[in-house]
Amino acid sequence: AQSVTQLGSHVSVSEGALVLLRCNYSSSVPPYLFWYVQYPNQGLQLLLKYTSAATLVKGINGFEAEFKKSETSFHLTKPSAHMSDAAEYFCAVRQMNTGFQKLVFGTGTRLLVSP
Amino acid sequence: DGGITQSPKYLFRKEGQNVTLSCEQNLNHDAMYWYRQDPGQGLRLIYYSQIVNDFQKGDIAEGYSVSREKKESFPLTVTSAQKNPTAFYLCASMLGHLSNEQFFGPGTRLTVL
Repeated sequence: AQSVTQLGSHVSVSEGALVLLRCNYSSSVPPYLFWYVQYPNQGLQLLLKYTSAATLVKGINGFEAEFKKSETSFHLTKPSAHMSDAAEYFCAVRQMNTGFQKLVFGTGTRLLVSP
Repeated sequence: DGGITQSPKYLFRKEGQNVTLSCEQNLNHDAMYWYRQDPGQGLRLIYYSQIVNDFQKGDIAEGYSVSREKKESFPLTVTSAQKNPTAFYLCASMLGHLSNEQFFGPGTRLTVL
């Protein structure tokens, strides 16, 4: 079975600082990995996804993530945080069950951005 | 615009009552999902459906029921057997089993009084 672990339930940064949200995965097969963002009382929006092509994946809103097999990691980064980036971020891995796929989510990391 | 709608946005229920949460999509997606979200626990899968008239239990199906009579609709009923139903419920859909992206609705917040 596949799983993901997000380190840190809360991350605080100043506006303009580097954003780094950590995600480590466990998978017996080459994984498909995803980062989603959730604003308060809203659904989830896909930021980016890794599907075994380029290891450096660029997403929306200036975010990117790098797949590192040797470290089983898929950390999310953004060079300069904006106030509007304050939200909860979820890492997820695809799990295939008898031809049907589902997503297994991490517990989430809340990003706080201070002026 | 194509998308997923969930209604109502907020729902209050008395203990012992069944309630039904609506999920509708006009994306022509085959697969639909229901998740429950609790603080600090991420999203947990309740039920999923690959095609009309077929659905499967997810990881936490006890106390919930679903139906899939139409491709675009996947309502979730929270029954009185669900011991702790207060949560945020999210519906999602995906084009098919070869797709890689799930699209999410805006969610319904259920509170048991």
